[in-house]
Order: sequence, then structure tokens, then C-alpha cells
Amino acid sequence: GENVEQHPSTLSVQEGDSAVIKCTYSDSASNYFPWYKQELGKGPQLIIDIRSNVGEKKDQRIAVTLNKTAKHFSLHITETQPEDSAVYFCVTQAGTSYDKVIFGPGTSLSVIP
Amino acid sequence: DVKVTQSSRYLVKRTGEKVFLECVQDMDHENMFWYRQDPGLGLRLIYFSYDVKMKEKGDIPEGYSVSREKKERFSLILESASTNQTSMYLCASSPFPTRNSPLHFGNGTRLTVT
Repeated sequence: GENVEQHPSTLSVQEGDSAVIKCTYSDSASNYFPWYKQELGKGPQLIIDIRSNVGEKKDQRIAVTLNKTAKHFSLHITETQPEDSAVYFCVTQAGTSYDKVIFGPGTSLSVIP
Repeated sequence: DVKVTQSSRYLVKRTGEKVFLECVQDMDHENMFWYRQDPGLGLRLIYFSYDVKMKEKGDIPEGYSVSREKKERFSLILESASTNQTSMYLCASSPFPTRNSPLHFGNGTRLTVT
């Protein structure tokens, strides 16, 4: 079946450094790529998304890049802060099938003050 | 802001009990979803609904059923709770069509079955 791989599974960075999380997917019909952040005790919350007709999108310290040919996309967080510590999920969504929402396994990011 | 509210943050139930998990969204979204989240297994889709009284099985529907009598409310039912259903349950909603819209999650219900 279709799947999404996500690396690394855990990431520890010093405050102020950058963090990069990479995802690869198999479903070539995927056309929407959101990223979610899940803080302890809360549900996942959307932080940024990108559509298949766009190669890069930036929102303040967060950016996402997409390479549809290679079927991979990445999340970049610059100038990390302790409040960035959370689990991050990449997701692919495809076509008109409601159940074609596929979550990556998640990356646990720790930002060390 | 979209608000998805799950009625309980923590629940403890006994094996064999019938369990209801309730979810309400306030943004008139057509689609609603139930996921369970387990360490090492990520988020797995149990059931989803794209309209009132409509439901579709996700990846792991066994042992669960759902009810959507009103657009804003989506209930997950464990007919006879078992210990392997101990998990974090997440409800989500999204507007139609799902393919270009993010999911909006509640804060989860942590269910323990003893």
C-alpha cells in the first residue's frame, strides 16, 4: 500500500540552530502536503502546508520544500526555540478518496536551551 | 478558529463495557474522522464520515462502530471494550474536499481499558 517515510525519528538541536525533517512518499497522485506539530497532551495542529504546483513555501521561521519528481518533501525550522520541541508529522493527501490521507510516523524534536 | 472538542480527556473503562467517545466541531465541516495513536504505530484511521448518517471504514475498523446523526457530532463506539483498545483517540474534521484541506484535530481522549 501507499506509505510515507519520515526521517529522522528523533532530532535534538541546540537552541538557535536549524532543524530539518525529510519525508518520502510513494503515491504519485499525492497533491497536498501538510505538516502537523503535536505538543505534549494535545492533538496535532497544522503549521504549514504546500500544494503540488508549488516548490517551496515559507512562513517566518518555518519553510517547506517539495520535489514531486523525486517524491520527497522537507520541513525546515530556523532559529529553533524551546517551544519548537514537539512531535512533527508529514502528511500526504491525494485525489478525491477520503481515506487517502497518509501520516508519516513522526519526528520527535527536542530543542536544548 | 476551528474548534474540535472531545468530551473526555481521560477515560478508564473495564473490559466488556460499551464505551462512547464523543466529538463535536463548530465549523460546519462535512468530513469527520476518528484516529487512534499508539507509540511506534503512528496515527491510524478507524472510521470517517463525509456526511450525516454516512460512514466509511478506515484502516482498523474492527471492534469499533460510529454514529453521525448531526453534522457537528461524530461518535466512536466500542461495543465491548478490550485491553488492546487502550490508546489515545483523536477526532478530526475537515471541509470538503479533503484532498486540499488540512485536518483539524481535537486534543484527544486517552482511554485505558482494564
